[in-house]
Amino acid sequence: ETGVTQSPTHLIKTRGQQVTLRCSSQSGHNTVSWYQQALGQGPQFIFQYYREEENGRGNFPPRFSGLQFPNYSSELNVNALELDDSALYLCASSLEGGLGGYTFGSGTRLTVV
Amino acid sequence: AQKVTQAQTEISVVEKEDVTLDCVYETRDTTYYLFWYKQPPSGELVFLIRRNSFDEQNEISGRYSWNFQKSTSSFNFTITASQVVDSAVYFCALSGFYGGSQGNLIFGKGTKLSVKP
Repeated sequence: ETGVTQSPTHLIKTRGQQVTLRCSSQSGHNTVSWYQQALGQGPQFIFQYYREEENGRGNFPPRFSGLQFPNYSSELNVNALELDDSALYLCASSLEGGLGGYTFGSGTRLTVV
Repeated sequence: AQKVTQAQTEISVVEKEDVTLDCVYETRDTTYYLFWYKQPPSGELVFLIRRNSFDEQNEISGRYSWNFQKSTSSFNFTITASQVVDSAVYFCALSGFYGGSQGNLIFGKGTKLSVKP
């Protein structure tokens, strides 16, 4: 049983650019959530995807968007990057409705300069 | 509104000491879940425990134990005989339960535990 894998592990972008982060769900999981973790803080919920549709969103602006594919993998896209977007981005997968709990990946460390 | 407070920012102990990490939560939901996760330097959040709001029994798993008290809205985590490998950031989290589905996780700010040899 494979876990959640995220790519890339580290990324440096310039303010104003766009970035795409990728996540492969754990085998058998059909729900994906994304979290942003700023340095020294707890993770903050960005949004969740189930059956290729967003079904929950935290307090993040529209320039944070996502996709879920038929194989349940997912992308997080951030447009017009700001310095405050520098953070660890964590992907978590689960069964429908969060049943069985969430399995997290190791995250992508994004630095915006 | 839902909220999780971990008042201890950093704790440092010497190996073999017992240590308790505090967690206080706020929610108006009657059905909810509480979690503890461990985050080593690699960044991955490692699941430790999930407890639903109707189960106040304390739980022990090896050197780990959890004390859930609804009367004080607390869900504390104790490590007995700590080891250097326990050094990590520990997060307490809360989620609701709506329409048969578990909601997203709301995390505290975490407690950084350093266990020195």
